[in-house]
Amino acid sequence: DTAVSQTPKYLVTQMGNDKSIKCEQNLGHDTMYWYKQDSKKFLKIMFSYNNKELIINETVPNRFSPKSPDKAHLNLHINSLELGDSAVYFCASSPGQGMISNEKLFFGSGTQLSVL
Amino acid sequence: AQTVTQSQPEMSVQEAETVTLSCTYDTSESDYYLFWYKQPPSRQMILVIRQEAYKQQNATENRFSVNFQKAAKSFSLKISDSQLGDAAMYFCAYRSFSTGNQFYFGTGTSLTVIP
Repeated sequence: DTAVSQTPKYLVTQMGNDKSIKCEQNLGHDTMYWYKQDSKKFLKIMFSYNNKELIINETVPNRFSPKSPDKAHLNLHINSLELGDSAVYFCASSPGQGMISNEKLFFGSGTQLSVL
Repeated sequence: AQTVTQSQPEMSVQEAETVTLSCTYDTSESDYYLFWYKQPPSRQMILVIRQEAYKQQNATENRFSVNFQKAAKSFSLKISDSQLGDAAMYFCAYRSFSTGNQFYFGTGTSLTVIP
C-alpha cells in the first residue's frame, strides 16, 4: 500500500482554469505538507498542516488554498491558473509537530502540473 | 529562517569511484536533524541517510556516509563505489523543531555517473 498517495500524477490545463490535487496518507501522521518544485528543481514549502490546522503558510498567492478535511488528507486547490504555476507539486507527511524525531519526510510521487 | 546551501549545482563521478557532495546550513538551534534525499528521473524522493545533530558519530548507510561538522554547520555526503543507479538529484535537508516541524531543502546537486 502506498504511504502517501496524490492524484493526479499529471495535470494539463488551460490558463485561467481552477484545478485540485488530492493527497492522502495512511501512516497516521499528524503533519502534512505541500511543496512546489520548479523547473530548476528547487523545492519550496508552500503549506503545512498539523491535525487539520494550518501551521505554515509561506508566501504563496491567494489563488492557492489548502484544505484538510481530516488529518489523513490535505488537498490543494488552485484558482485562476497561470503559466508560472507550472511545476511539480509534492505532498508529504511526517510525525507530529513538536515530536523530537528523526523521522523522515514521506513524499508522494508528485503531480506534474502544466499550464498552457 | 534556516537556510540550506548546496554550492555544487552539478557533479560527475566515474563509475566505482568516490564522490563528495557538499552542504552547509545556517541555524541558531542546537537540536535538529539533517537528511540527504535522492531524486532519480522517476521523480520519487528517496531518503538516503539521516543524522541527528546531538550525535557526534557520522551516519553511514552501506556505500553512503556523511561528514557532519556541527561547529562548521557542514553536512557533506560521500558516495563510495559509485554505481550508475546513483545518478540523480541529491537534496540536503534540515529539520527544524522551532518552526512548525518544517523541513528546509537545499537547491540540489545533479550527480552524473560516467560508465
